[in-house]
Amino acid sequence: QVQLVQSGAEVKKPGASVKVSCKASGYTFTSYGISWVRQAPGQGLEWMGWISAYNGNTNYAQKLQGRVTMTTDTSTSTAYMELRSLRSDDTAVYYCARETTRDYFDYWGQGTLVTVSS
Amino acid sequence: SYELTQPPSVSVSPGQTARITCSGDALPKKYAYWYQQKSGQAPVLVIYEDSKRPSGIPERFSGSSSGTMATLTISGAQVEDEADYYCYSTDSSGNHRGVFGGGTKLTVL
Repeated sequence: QVQLVQSGAEVKKPGASVKVSCKASGYTFTSYGISWVRQAPGQGLEWMGWISAYNGNTNYAQKLQGRVTMTTDTSTSTAYMELRSLRSDDTAVYYCARETTRDYFDYWGQGTLVTVSS
Repeated sequence: SYELTQPPSVSVSPGQTARITCSGDALPKKYAYWYQQKSGQAPVLVIYEDSKRPSGIPERFSGSSSGTMATLTISGAQVEDEADYYCYSTDSSGNHRGVFGGGTKLTVL
């Protein structure tokens, strides 16, 4: 069965970086993309960006350009999302999701809470 | 930047029809997708490509789109349908950037 398992919760200081992993299993990793979505406490969903697991092409939300990098390791079927220069308003649950060729997210990771606090 | 607009809340009694709207300038050219999120859980896809229902989603969930507005309809809403619902689409810039609506809290009581 398809599973996306994310790394554990993180606590970071303002200005630091965080790297969240998303290990995929149960399907051919390179046949799908991975999108990252975050949700601040009590707030809505925010699309952060997408990476093709086939060729590494990326697309990032404009507001995060320059601070976010998405990568994949096809040898371990793992996707990564790194966010730099963290601010308090980056505190959120970060989700990875498998994106199909028809642009929808059919499987989601369990979420990773990133807390940014001094 | 591109935005999708949803009402913050919708309330219905059990068995009634709930309609949640999503408006966006690119919706005449781009599909809408709908996700259900229950408290403390990851979102679940309930409608894709405006009106298609994934396997395992009850028939009471349906979707439509006309002009700049997409609509999620829950016919005969059940108590277990109480959740936050988000529309999702992409902008028309050619960059394929995604965007979620602000979310609608559906209350069924």
